[in-house]
Amino acid sequence: GEDVEQSLFLSVREGDSSVINCTYTDSSSTYLYWYKQEPGAGLQLLTYIFSNMDMKQDQRLTVLLNKKDKHLSLRIADTQTGDSAIYFCAENSNSGYALNFGKGTSLLVTP
Amino acid sequence: NAGVTQTPKFQVLKTGQSMTLQCAQDMNHEYMSWYRQDPGMGLRLIHYSVGAGITDQGEVPNGYNVSRSTTEDFPLRLLSAAPSQTSVYFCASSLSGGQGETQYFGPGTRLLVL
Repeated sequence: GEDVEQSLFLSVREGDSSVINCTYTDSSSTYLYWYKQEPGAGLQLLTYIFSNMDMKQDQRLTVLLNKKDKHLSLRIADTQTGDSAIYFCAENSNSGYALNFGKGTSLLVTP
Repeated sequence: NAGVTQTPKFQVLKTGQSMTLQCAQDMNHEYMSWYRQDPGMGLRLIHYSVGAGITDQGEVPNGYNVSRSTTEDFPLRLLSAAPSQTSVYFCASSLSGGQGETQYFGPGTRLLVL
């Protein structure tokens, strides 16, 4: 499948903003997603954005989409220690059913 | 609703043994899928199903079988386990598998093959 790329690790201080970046290659993807995985748990959908949008805000979360550069970002405002987790970027595969996931970005929030 | 449930949570197998990983959902979802998660590899799709009686292969299907006799259940079978199948396995479901639908993930099964 197409590759979804993410940086592997990010460390921020509590109260700061976190920005997690993702690049994708399948220009036909109509939805792009951000999932959160806490230690020992499954994946939880955080938010998603439709490809005809360039920004979506949901409380502390802001998703930016640059379709020309195939770049997606997730900004978490006022990051808390409970935000420490692995964050996965994902896109719909060509079949439309399955998701292509990035390798995940481990976010560490320090006090 | 219990959501997506998986059993067992942990399993240790010897090479060559067989086992079935169970997955069930009570949300009347048509679409169900299995992923494996390996360190540094993200999640990779093994098999998926768009409804009872219909299954298809994902990115890494070799060594795994699936069937979908009911809407609720989607078991994953390892016929002859190999150390390369040591991984964390996640089952997921969504209403119909369409783009933009929320996919719900189970808590995972951690499998160690010796």
